Amino acid sequence: GNSVTQMEGPVTLSEEAFLTINCTYTATGYPSLFWYVQYPGEGLQLLLKATKADDKGSNKGFEATYRKETTSFHLEKGSVQVSDSAVYFCALSRQGAQKLVFGQGTRLTINP
Amino acid sequence: DTAVSQTPKYLVTQMGNDKSIKCEQNLGHDTMYWYKQDSKKFLKIMFSYNNKELIINETVPNRFSPKSPDKAHLNLHINSLELGDSAVYFCASSQDSRGGRDTQYFGPGTRLTVL
Repeated sequence: GNSVTQMEGPVTLSEEAFLTINCTYTATGYPSLFWYVQYPGEGLQLLLKATKADDKGSNKGFEATYRKETTSFHLEKGSVQVSDSAVYFCALSRQGAQKLVFGQGTRLTINP
Repeated sequence: DTAVSQTPKYLVTQMGNDKSIKCEQNLGHDTMYWYKQDSKKFLKIMFSYNNKELIINETVPNRFSPKSPDKAHLNLHINSLELGDSAVYFCASSQDSRGGRDTQYFGPGTRLTVL
């Protein structure tokens, strides 16, 4: 079946540190890959996405590259801010499946 | 102005009651969804509708019945509420999910607490 595995949280970093949140997936065919972010008390917002191999999604200083050979979509940011504190979800969607399959979420806390 | 809205935001009720959660999207999207987020933040699809037609029912108990009166609305009715139904329920919509590439836009969530 289709599944997404994220690195275990919580992750705590200092402001301006480098961030990596690992995400690997299992899927048949060629899924689209997404990172969603959930700020405290809010719904999910799309952070970035990539729809084919070697595509790089980027937004707000975050980046992730669709790596088919390693079935990964790791999230990175060069210098995190306190305002990046949130829960981050990696997800996939397969053609014709009409649903997102989410990883378990990674809680990120950035300290000033 | 809100793209995907849900009401109510909070719902506290007794076991055995029946309750409804409403969802509306003003994005002109064809597909709407309900997801459940449990206490550990895990998110799982419950239902999806495309143009008012049920597409996915992901082994959800019969006590949960979605209803889509039109393309812009997808309501969730829950009968005989149980303690295990306590969760945050998110509505979402996308233009056309059959290709798997479209972004899903989420509502703010409804936190349901069953006592």
